[in-house]
Amino acid sequence: EPEVTQTPSHQVTQMGQEVILRCVPISNHLYFYWYRQILGQKVEFLVSFYNNEISEKSEIFDDQFSVERPDGSNFTLKIRSTKLEDSAMYFCASSEGGETQYFGPGTRLLVL
Amino acid sequence: KNQVEQSPQSLIILEGKNCTLQCNYTVSPFSNLRWYKQDTGRGPVSLTIMTFSENTKSNGRYTATLDADTKQSSLHITASQLSDSASYICVVIFTSGTYKYIFGTGTRLKVLA
Repeated sequence: EPEVTQTPSHQVTQMGQEVILRCVPISNHLYFYWYRQILGQKVEFLVSFYNNEISEKSEIFDDQFSVERPDGSNFTLKIRSTKLEDSAMYFCASSEGGETQYFGPGTRLLVL
Repeated sequence: KNQVEQSPQSLIILEGKNCTLQCNYTVSPFSNLRWYKQDTGRGPVSLTIMTFSENTKSNGRYTATLDADTKQSSLHITASQLSDSASYICVVIFTSGTYKYIFGTGTRLKVLA
C-alpha cells in the first residue's frame, strides 16, 4: 500500500540555523499539507499546498516558514532561522483532493 | 471557534478490559469525524470515519459512535491488548472551500499486562 514518507526521522539543529524537512507524498496525490505537534500538545495545521502554490496557511506559518515542491515527488518545509519553540514533530500529509489525508511518520525536530 | 475536546486526557486499563473515549466538538459546517491512533513518535493512522448520518461504525475491536445533535462521539475499545497503548485522536473535518482537519487533544491510553 502506498504511503507518505518523511526524512529525516530526527533532526537536531542549533537555534538560528535553517532546516529543511522532506516529504514524499503518495504519487497520484495533488494536495499536500504540513502539520506540527509540539510535545504533549495537539496536532496543528501549518499549510496546505496545491498546484504549486500555497492554498491555505495558519497563523503559525509566518515568514520563517516556506514550502516547495522542487520536483515531481518531493514536498519540503523550510524553517529559515529556527527558534527553540520550533522544536516539535512535523507531519506531512497528502490527499487526492477528497476528504482523506494520509499522514507520514513525522520528523522530530529539536532546536538547541 | 472550531474546537475538539477529548476526555479523559489519559487512561490506564488492564489487558482484556474495555474502555470508552469521549470527544466533543464545536465544528461547523461538519463534514465527517475520524478517530486516529497515534503510536509514540509516529504519524496518526485512521481507525474509523463517520459521516453526519452515521451513528455507529465498527472496525474490529474499535466501535465509534456519533451523535450529531449533541456533537459528541465516542470510541469504544473491546478486549484491550497491550498493542492498543497509544494516543487516540478525534479529528473533525469541516469544509470551508477546502477540507480542514481540526485535531482533538487526544487521549493517551496505556494497557497493562
